[in-house]
Amino acid sequence: AQSVTQLGSHVSVSEGALVLLRCNYSSSVPPYLFWYVQYPNQGLQLLLKYTTGATLVKGINGFEAEFKKSETSFHLTKPSAHMSDAAEYFCAVRRNFGNEKLTFGTGTRLTIIP
Amino acid sequence: DGGITQSPKYLFRKEGQNVTLSCEQNLNHDAMYWYRQDPGQGLRLIYYSQIVNDFQKGDIAEGYSVSREKKESFPLTVTSAQKNPTAFYLCASSPPGGSTEAFFGQGTRLTVV
Repeated sequence: AQSVTQLGSHVSVSEGALVLLRCNYSSSVPPYLFWYVQYPNQGLQLLLKYTTGATLVKGINGFEAEFKKSETSFHLTKPSAHMSDAAEYFCAVRRNFGNEKLTFGTGTRLTIIP
Repeated sequence: DGGITQSPKYLFRKEGQNVTLSCEQNLNHDAMYWYRQDPGQGLRLIYYSQIVNDFQKGDIAEGYSVSREKKESFPLTVTSAQKNPTAFYLCASSPPGGSTEAFFGQGTRLTVV
C-alpha cells in the first residue's frame, strides 16, 4: 500500500520569502516521488521527481525537493517566492514495483502575498 | 506536438443522463488514467488501463465506465448511477516503468444542471 500526506491545505508566503510545502509518504517498498503544479482550470504539470540516486532533486521554476528516507518526507522548497508561483501543488507517490499507479496527496494551495 | 487532448473543456449534464468524456493521446503511452478532482480532496483515481482492451477499477469507479479499444483513446462515461458527478475530470497517460511521470490533459469540467 502507499499513501501521501500533505500538511497544510493552504499556505501563504510573502513575495521573496521561502516557500516550504510539506509532503510525507507511506510505501511498503522504495518509492518514486513526484511534485506537480496545477494552475486554475488546467491540468497538472510535473515540477520534479525523485527516482534513485541524488536525494536533492531540482525542478523547474526554481523549485527543489529533498528525499529523506528516515523521515519519509519529500518536502518542496523554493528560496524566493514569486507571484507566478501561486497555484495548487500536489505530491504523488508510486511504488518502485512493476507499473504501479500514482497516488496523490490532497494538495496545497499556495498564495503569494505582494 | 505530442500530448493529451481532453474534450470538451466544459460539459453540462441533466440529471439522469449519461455523458462521455473524451481523452486522446499521441504520446504512444501504454498506460492511461482517469482522475476526479474535487476541492480539498486531491485527485482520486477512477479507472486505469495499462494496455489495450484491459482496464482496472480505481478507488471511486462506481457510476463510471470506460473502454480501451485503441492505444490512443480512453473515453470515460459518467452514468446516471453516479450520484454526484459535478467535478473536474483529468485524464493522464504514462509510458511503462514506475519511475516515469504521468502526463496530464487540460481537464473537463462537468456540471449537472
